[in-house]
Amino acid sequence: GGIITQTPKFLIGQEGQKLTLKCQQNFNHDTMYWYRQDSGKGLRLIYYSITENDLQKGDLSEGYDASREKKSSFSLTVTSAQKNEMAVFLCASSIDWGEQYFGPGTRLTVL
Amino acid sequence: GDSVTQTEGLVTLTKGLPVMLNCTYQTTYSPFLFWYVQHLNEAPKLLLKSSTDNKRTEHQGFYATLHKSSSSFHLQKSSVQLSDSALYFCALSEDNYAQGLTFGLGTRVSVFP
Repeated sequence: GGIITQTPKFLIGQEGQKLTLKCQQNFNHDTMYWYRQDSGKGLRLIYYSITENDLQKGDLSEGYDASREKKSSFSLTVTSAQKNEMAVFLCASSIDWGEQYFGPGTRLTVL
Repeated sequence: GDSVTQTEGLVTLTKGLPVMLNCTYQTTYSPFLFWYVQHLNEAPKLLLKSSTDNKRTEHQGFYATLHKSSSSFHLQKSSVQLSDSALYFCALSEDNYAQGLTFGLGTRVSVFP
């Protein structure tokens, strides 16, 4: 088995601030993903990466950057936090046809 | 683009009763369908998956059949338990799985004693 860890668990930021979320997996999976979960809106794909140093934009990539410097880690940066923004960011990884393993999430609050 | 529709936002029912959660999808590619379950403050976990038309797949008492003719993958259980209270997501993947999943909005299931 394996595990996905996300840090921090809770992130509180100020409007306009650049914020970075980190994700580590020890499944040795090639592909990693970042999703945003908003209440009533399901999960939406922000970025994904099929291998080290690869980045692909999802439907919600505007306002975000990502980085995959190692196979085991995938970082997401909120380039300018929006006031009153609240969401959970979920990291996931996969090796076969779509079965994704999710981390516990980072809960973002912007004051 | 791809889309997944879950018609029920909230389902409340009593322990021991059957449940069916609806899921329909739209895609121009050969679909892979999934059900994920997310308990409160936990990560989503895979419950069921299928890419085979008209074949029932089962796990932990839940079952679903992919029907490509009607673009559906409804989730069912014959007798719900209190521990089944959770958020259930239907999700779709195309042939190229690496492009990520398209999720429905989710159905919250609340089971009462």
